[in-house]
Amino acid sequence: EIVLTQSPGTLSLSPGERVTLSCRASQSVSSNKLAWYQQKPGQAPRLLISGASSRATGIPDRFSGSGSGTDFTLTISRLEPEDFAVYYCQQYGSSPYTFGQGTKLEIK
Amino acid sequence: QVQLVQSGAEVKKPGASVKVSCRASGYTFTNYHVHWVRQAPGQGLEWMGVINCSGGTTVYAQKFQGRVTMTRDTSTSTVYMELTSLRSEDTAVYYCARSIGWYVSYDYWGQGTLVTVSS
Repeated sequence: EIVLTQSPGTLSLSPGERVTLSCRASQSVSSNKLAWYQQKPGQAPRLLISGASSRATGIPDRFSGSGSGTDFTLTISRLEPEDFAVYYCQQYGSSPYTFGQGTKLEIK
Repeated sequence: QVQLVQSGAEVKKPGASVKVSCRASGYTFTNYHVHWVRQAPGQGLEWMGVINCSGGTTVYAQKFQGRVTMTRDTSTSTVYMELTSLRSEDTAVYYCARSIGWYVSYDYWGQGTLVTVSS
């Protein structure tokens, strides 16, 4: 089973700032099948990025993903108020499809 | 538009079973897989398993092997997830989510179903 470790656990930031979230895998993620999801309280997760770097339909271009192998990042170039949420990475290259423990972005 | 609509909240006693449904609409049901993911209160996401809505093939996380069964009804475009021998640790919101293949991310999610296990 691939273990995904996200860092940091919580980030306190202000709107307009740039942020980079990290997701590290315990072994190489097959074909870089790594996704990022955003979850707001009381809502289902929403797909942001698939294949490590491809934005999902309708996702603003301030969200970008990069990385390969075992190290992946999600960058939000300029935080909007609606971006404060919890972010999860997930590898779906091999079963079981594991999630990271999440990074919470909170307003400073 | 694509929708995954789940059944309502459930309260169960320890040792009982629960069956949660996920009704799909707005797309060709048999072209997709449906995964189940759960989230305990205040916790992260946990993948439980997946069903191929065309042939019905399933893959379950080892943690749930023997306790979970995923089925589908193509006539109603509905997927079911049954979890047996419930314990308090199974209290969680259960989500269904679709993917177009075995190794593809989830582009649409259901609204979630809260299952509470309590004596």
